[in-house]
Amino acid sequence: AQKVTQTQTSISVMEKTTVTMDCVYETQDSSYFLFWYKQTASGEIVFLIRQDSYKKENATVGHYSLNFQKPKSSIGLIITATQIEDSAVYFCAMRDLASSGSWQLIFGSGTQLTVMP
Amino acid sequence: ETAVFQTPNYHVTQVGNEVSFNCKQTLGHDTMYWYKQDSKKLLKIMFSYNNKQLIVNETVPRRFSPQSSDKAHLNLRIKSVEPEDSAVYLCASSPDWGGSSYEQYFGPGTRLTVL
Repeated sequence: AQKVTQTQTSISVMEKTTVTMDCVYETQDSSYFLFWYKQTASGEIVFLIRQDSYKKENATVGHYSLNFQKPKSSIGLIITATQIEDSAVYFCAMRDLASSGSWQLIFGSGTQLTVMP
Repeated sequence: ETAVFQTPNYHVTQVGNEVSFNCKQTLGHDTMYWYKQDSKKLLKIMFSYNNKQLIVNETVPRRFSPQSSDKAHLNLRIKSVEPEDSAVYLCASSPDWGGSSYEQYFGPGTRLTVL
């Protein structure tokens, strides 16, 4: 079975700095898709960025970018110039083929990011 | 801009009662989902549904059942709630059924407390 692991339960950084959140995954698939989502204090979950395994370039969206290290099965999320409003729980996720034969997302346990002024 | 709507925001009930939560998406997506998020923030898929197929996570107790009138609506019914059902229930939708584009859009969630 596929698995997504986030070992950092919480991180605190100062505003305007760069932070990296770690995520490692396990899969037997040759082609797969990795995602990062953000859950704000209000509970809203928002899609941030995605990496397709067959793409060599790291994905970038706004001040979010990914550090995709395929040999290490690692997909780190990098946030540059952090802002107070980046404070949230960040989830790493991977597309997974369930035993039922359907596709689904499996999520890591999340990393709580606190950005301090 | 919210495009996946859930009602109610909160619900408190007694053990053994039946509850029903509503979800509607206005994105024109083909697929909808229900997730359960526990007190440790762990997200687990419960159901995946498009207008042709319902997929149930095998770990979901049978007292849970999804109900859909059309592809824009997917409600969740719990027949006889138990204390371990206390959680946040999140509805989501995506444009396709497991194709290469698998980004999901989430509703705000319904927090259930079972006394």
